[in-house]
Amino acid sequence: DQQVKQNSPSLSVQEGRISILNCDYTNSMFDYFLWYKKYPAEGPTFLISISSIKDKNEDGRFTVFLNKSAKHLSLHIVPSQPGDSAVYFCAAATDSWGKLQFGAGTQVVVTP
Amino acid sequence: GAVVSQHPSRVICKSGTSVKIECRSLDFQATTMFWYRQFPKKSLMLMATSNEGSKATYEQGVEKDKFLINHASLTLSTLTVTSAHPEDSSFYICSARVGSSGRVYQETQYFGPGTRLLVL
Repeated sequence: DQQVKQNSPSLSVQEGRISILNCDYTNSMFDYFLWYKKYPAEGPTFLISISSIKDKNEDGRFTVFLNKSAKHLSLHIVPSQPGDSAVYFCAAATDSWGKLQFGAGTQVVVTP
Repeated sequence: GAVVSQHPSRVICKSGTSVKIECRSLDFQATTMFWYRQFPKKSLMLMATSNEGSKATYEQGVEKDKFLINHASLTLSTLTVTSAHPEDSSFYICSARVGSSGRVYQETQYFGPGTRLLVL
């Protein structure tokens, strides 16, 4: 039973534009959310996170938004750059020390 | 950042044979390592958590006699798929956790590049 879902397997966006990646979850006990980025032949690397006490966290070009009532979070990348082309995984945990539950990932392609 | 390696990156084996996958933390000591499995277009699924010097903790539904995990040192964990069958074909990925250093647990988890296993 997949508790974290990324319903868009792929996303194509033009360089300079905004990339919006979406993630939905079903477990209301999830309290901590993370985004990972993965290049081919490399492992996922931590990108940004948010705890449930916040609804927004920003780090440079990356912003994560959390809507707890909708059990939905999103990652915004502005402006998108060619180096952002990668697979992005959404993950969630019941607390900052809990096991990670991953989504299936979204392949982002940034075109010139 | 911290580097985690996996070896081999790709392996093809015959049904019934055993395959060992190594996970190494190259520039840090990892008290805890994790093994995940990913099927095509599916999410990473945690298989087990291993702590150095103790037995691994397996997730529900994961056969511990099938997937042997050894965390013999602070820099090495191995996953052995015993008597592999075609349904074991998958992408196996490990991660290692650095000490907290004031950061939350998940943010200090570093992933290896993965091992693709194909069982014929």
